[in-house]
Amino acid sequence: AQTVTQSQPEMSVQEAETVTLSCTYDTSESDYYLFWYKQPPSRQMILVIRQEAYKQQNATENRFSVNFQKAAKSFSLKISDSQLGDAAMYFCAYRGLYNFNKFYFGSGTKLNVKP
Amino acid sequence: DGGITQSPKYLFRKEGQNVTLSCEQNLNHDAMYWYRQDPGQGLRLIYYSQIVNDFQKGDIAEGYSVSREKKESFPLTVTSAQKNPTAFYLCASSPHRGGDSYNEQFFGPGTRLTVL
Repeated sequence: AQTVTQSQPEMSVQEAETVTLSCTYDTSESDYYLFWYKQPPSRQMILVIRQEAYKQQNATENRFSVNFQKAAKSFSLKISDSQLGDAAMYFCAYRGLYNFNKFYFGSGTKLNVKP
Repeated sequence: DGGITQSPKYLFRKEGQNVTLSCEQNLNHDAMYWYRQDPGQGLRLIYYSQIVNDFQKGDIAEGYSVSREKKESFPLTVTSAQKNPTAFYLCASSPHRGGDSYNEQFFGPGTRLTVL
């Protein structure tokens, strides 16, 4: 079975600075999709960014970007110009191309943003 | 507005009682999911359903049951057989457009279940 690992339980960043959250995964599939979800204190899960494995170009959504290293099975999230509203739990998730109804989530990284 | 609703937001249960958590979506999504989230942990899959009248066990299905009689609804029953039911429960849905599209999951606001 696929596994998703987030090795940083908690991180802190100063407002306006940049922070990178790590995620690694284990899979034998060659095609798949990766996601970063944000869970703020309200606990509503929100999709932040997504990446297709067959695309070499890293996805970007405003201040959020990813560093996708397929060979290393790494999918890190970079948040630039951090804002107080970025404080949340961040979850990395994997979905295979063929067993596409099953998602695998990491254990999450709690991001604190200091004013 | 399209979305996923879960009710109630908070639920209290006495030991030995069954309780049902509601999940409704108006996104016309085929697939629906139930996850359990414990403090400091990620999401663990309880059950999922790809189409009406069909569902599969996830990683921690013991002590839980579901039904999928309508496309819009996927209620979860926490039975008295579930040994430690106090947790946060998230319902999600996703389209079923085939493997070669994102099919990302959309989540409801969650239900906090506490056993007294």
